[in-house]
Amino acid sequence: DGGITQSPKYLFRKEGQNVTLSCEQNLNHDAMYWYRQDPGQGLRLIYYSQIVNDFQKGDIAEGYSVSREKKESFPLTVTSAQKNPTAFYLCASSPPGGLVLAYNEQFFGPGTRLTVL
Amino acid sequence: KNQVEQSPQSLIILEGKNCTLQCNYTVSPFSNLRWYKQDTGRGPVSLTIMTFSENTKSNGRYTATLDADTKQSSLHITASQLSDSASYICVVSPGGSYIPTFGRGTSLIVHP
Repeated sequence: DGGITQSPKYLFRKEGQNVTLSCEQNLNHDAMYWYRQDPGQGLRLIYYSQIVNDFQKGDIAEGYSVSREKKESFPLTVTSAQKNPTAFYLCASSPPGGLVLAYNEQFFGPGTRLTVL
Repeated sequence: KNQVEQSPQSLIILEGKNCTLQCNYTVSPFSNLRWYKQDTGRGPVSLTIMTFSENTKSNGRYTATLDADTKQSSLHITASQLSDSASYICVVSPGGSYIPTFGRGTSLIVHP
């Protein structure tokens, strides 16, 4: 059963703590992405990775970090430097040839809701 | 700057009625336009995807149109059902880039 999984579904963090959100895909996709979604706003890009061991900052990377050691996995760490981390976090992936294929599209995971206590 | 604007921001309709959601974009160069449905607390799910050469595409009761000249798209929902209550997001991908531009979405509520 192919797809993207995110865990946990709900996550609570105390101020000053780092937390890591998991994202795994078995779609054999090269590119992976992390987005943040706040009420009434569109998805905002945090980080993305086109290939293993390479990633780029998105529009709101401050206070976040990522790694891409395996093609299937793209974990996101929300650090204590992120002042307003409460949000819904979405992971996505897209197939190979993203720069070329006109039909390239992103597939999303179910999301993780992070709440700061 | 690439932008995607959606209207209306929210919409309430009665079950069984039709509705149309709008999307205007300024993304250039254009590669494809997608409509996603996002249920509350879940990830977006793709409904349709169109390239510049396509001006209409259907997925069941959902029909998307694209006018690449005016840079406008619409999503028409026919015979709405309670399960259509969700946020509908328009996403435009530029050519030569991995990074799409997202609209803020239209929140649709279908009442019985």
